Amino acid sequence: KAGVTQTPRYLIKTRGQQVTLSCSPISGHRSVSWYQQTPGQGLQFLFEYFSETQRNKGNFPGRFSGRQFSNSRSEMNVSTLELGDSALYLCASSLESYEQYFGPGTRLTVT
Amino acid sequence: GQNIDQPTEMTATEGAIVQINCTYQTSGFNGLFWYQQHAGEAPTFLSYNVLDGLEEKGRFSSFLSRSKGYSYLLLKELQMKDSASYLCAVRHNAGNMLTFGGGTRLMVKP
Repeated sequence: KAGVTQTPRYLIKTRGQQVTLSCSPISGHRSVSWYQQTPGQGLQFLFEYFSETQRNKGNFPGRFSGRQFSNSRSEMNVSTLELGDSALYLCASSLESYEQYFGPGTRLTVT
Repeated sequence: GQNIDQPTEMTATEGAIVQINCTYQTSGFNGLFWYQQHAGEAPTFLSYNVLDGLEEKGRFSSFLSRSKGYSYLLLKELQMKDSASYLCAVRHNAGNMLTFGGGTRLMVKP
């Protein structure tokens, strides 16, 4: 069974730009969660989508948004990028509310 | 608020046993997870506790005391490949919203 895939793996953007990251969950998994990982703040929850509906949301500004499609694939968008948005963005999928399988992440650098 | 504490770093010797502690104070509790993360890689699931007691899985065991807001991960017969960060995470409600601790970087020495 294929694992969680994320594209792109690496991305360099300029302050003020916007970015869209993509996540394809494990086949059959309907829950997709997004996390931001930085050396200073560690792993922080962004949001979770289940069957195309946002089920949980973390404490991030409205510049961070996401969506989920009918095939469970998910995208997250960050608008008006700031230097502090430089991070590893991890996507995790789950069959129900239990073990989450993480993808390899997208390394975003904002200059 | 949410507060999850675990030691920043630990060092142990190959073949030994190490215990990584995690204490939490969170609004709502619906299970505690332990993940392993090697440098430059994604976290991988190790264990899940929702009831008090010990869960054993091979060389890894995890313990939970909900009344004390305390958990530990026990690693036996340490191997060099166990050098990694170990993340404690609490799930607050139905769904998959996890709050992670800062992680414990374990270094296994020969």
